[in-house]
Amino acid sequence: AQSVTQLGSHVSVSEGALVLLRCNYSSSVPPYLFWYVQYPNQGLQLLLKYTTGATLVKGINGFEAEFKKSETSFHLTKPSAHMSDAAEYFCAVSGVNEKLTFGTGTRLTIIP
Amino acid sequence: GAGVSQSPSNKVTEKGKDVELRCDPISGHTALYWYRQSLGQGLEFLIYFQGNSAPDKSGLPSDRFSAERTGGSVSTLTIQRTQQEDSAVYLCASSSSARGETQYFGPGTRLLVL
Repeated sequence: AQSVTQLGSHVSVSEGALVLLRCNYSSSVPPYLFWYVQYPNQGLQLLLKYTTGATLVKGINGFEAEFKKSETSFHLTKPSAHMSDAAEYFCAVSGVNEKLTFGTGTRLTIIP
Repeated sequence: GAGVSQSPSNKVTEKGKDVELRCDPISGHTALYWYRQSLGQGLEFLIYFQGNSAPDKSGLPSDRFSAERTGGSVSTLTIQRTQQEDSAVYLCASSSSARGETQYFGPGTRLLVL
């Protein structure tokens, strides 16, 4: 079985400030981990993913995430928030098969 | 190339009616997934097709839900005798077959059952 926990359903940061969205997972096998972003009335877009290799993963729009096996975490960060980053962010895990198990999502608000 | 497309984009129906939702995956993608996004349940896996293998139906919430994939391409999700709790956004995704490959999502079909 696999599961994902996203701490904080809503996060607000000031424009230019650090963005940190938290994700913890559980998986019975080495996990593949994903972050997706969803803009209003749109589908999900992949930000980045970890499968194997380097544990620090860089994605689109300046986001990155680090896979920490000892902490079972895959937190998403961005050094400087932009207004265009306002969206909902989902962490997901793929375990023994290809289907994704999603967290409950974090809505990011950027304060001008 | 073209992404995943879904139709209709919005569907309003009356309780008890049947609905069909369509998904056109990215050409060449052998894996196709249906997910449901609702306020109460978040994003849930429904069903997964991989090539000619039997589909993984483990996420379907009841026997009112069914799906087929014809010719390894287009998929239709059918909900019979719709209930108000079926109201949600139904998302389709496709990917190449390997585990860990990116799933590309369509824009979804927003279903409202009155």
